[in-house]
Amino acid sequence: GQNIDQPTEMTATEGAIVQINCTYQTSGFNGLFWYQQHAGEAPTFLSYNVLDGLEEKGRFSSFLSRSKGYSYLLLKELQMKDSASYLCAVRDGGGAGGGNKLTFGTGTQLKVEL
Amino acid sequence: NAGVTQTPKFRVLKTGQSMTLLCAQDMNHEYMYWYRQDPGMGLRLIHYSVGEGTTAKGEVPDGYNVSRLKKQNFLLGLESAAPSQTSVYFCASSRDRVTIEAFFGQGTRLTVV
Repeated sequence: GQNIDQPTEMTATEGAIVQINCTYQTSGFNGLFWYQQHAGEAPTFLSYNVLDGLEEKGRFSSFLSRSKGYSYLLLKELQMKDSASYLCAVRDGGGAGGGNKLTFGTGTQLKVEL
Repeated sequence: NAGVTQTPKFRVLKTGQSMTLLCAQDMNHEYMYWYRQDPGMGLRLIHYSVGEGTTAKGEVPDGYNVSRLKKQNFLLGLESAAPSQTSVYFCASSRDRVTIEAFFGQGTRLTVV
């Protein structure tokens, strides 16, 4: 099975940088995902890591260390609209009929303040 | 360009009633998933399908059934609703097993009283 841990909530200031950590223990691994979810809305894809290292995408970056079972999402130049829940998810190894399933953490609620 | 559409968006059921949630995708995706989202629990996989005519159990399948008779549709059924099934239900789809992104529907908020 999968066990994914991330902080429940974080607060940061507009214009600042925030790092949201995620640790995982899995029986199979085929990629780590970050999704953003605004209140009352569907999750939307932010980033994907399958190899160790940093992936940068505009104001958002995601890092992965497979040996440590660790990832983080870095948000720069925070804006008020970044207030949302950030979900860390691990994709299983697939296999026969594996389904490419995503297992989600409970999410980190980020509040951006003035 | 609808993407993933869920119906209904809201529903209130009495304990013991049955209902079906419909998920439709117009992207010709092979893989489809049903999740439920509860406060403090995150998204949990109920059932999934890797193609038309196939279904499989996820993490929390009890009390639910699914069918994938057509590639574009994935139905989630509750035969006898219970208050514990009060939740927000999300459907998602992805093209195939190597595709990175999964697309989510807007969710169905179900309350069982």
